Amino acid sequence: QVQLKETGPGLVQPTQTLSITCTVSGFSLTSYYMQWVRQTPGKGLEWMGFIRSGGSTEYNSEFKSRLSISRDTSKNQVFLKMNSLKTEDTGVYYCAREGRRYFDYWGQGVMVTVSS
Amino acid sequence: EIVLTQSPTTMAASPGEKVTITCRASSSVSYMYWYQQKSGASPKPWIYETSKLASGVPDRFSGSGSGTSYSFTISSMETEDAATYYCHQWSSTPFTFGSGTKLEIK
Repeated sequence: QVQLKETGPGLVQPTQTLSITCTVSGFSLTSYYMQWVRQTPGKGLEWMGFIRSGGSTEYNSEFKSRLSISRDTSKNQVFLKMNSLKTEDTGVYYCAREGRRYFDYWGQGVMVTVSS
Repeated sequence: EIVLTQSPTTMAASPGEKVTITCRASSSVSYMYWYQQKSGASPKPWIYETSKLASGVPDRFSGSGSGTSYSFTISSMETEDAATYYCHQWSSTPFTFGSGTKLEIK
């Protein structure tokens, strides 16, 4: 069955880089777009960006040049990297599969705290 | 950016009561989507393309609307419906979510 699981560092220092991995099973990354959404106390649910089935990406300009999404199809993994972290980036980060009609499967989320 | 404004922010309903949540978009969108989120869990797709129920969603839920005005209705509140509901648009980037409506049981 379809599963998504995010893994990440938990605690990141301000100004440092966040790296999160989304490991998927039950489907191919070459057939679906993969979305990243975060949930923060300050802004609620916030769309970050996606990687298309063909590998190209699109980002929310809110994150300017801080954000990068990539993947390794051989490992069934999608990666989120965001640099110059601030305390406001504290929150839960989700990967989600874009299905035919909606974001149909979501990972459990990974809590990230930005603090020194 | 299309801003989605949900109301109310919080509400409580008794079992059997009808519940309506509204979502207004700052610009016209093709469809509205709704997600349910319970505490500590990830969002679940609930209503898609304005009025269609996602897999497994009971038919006491419904959605309607067009353009900039959308609504989400529970015909008869049940205890298991207590959750936070978010509207969502992905007609144009950046995709956006409403701030959520926390629905509690009285």
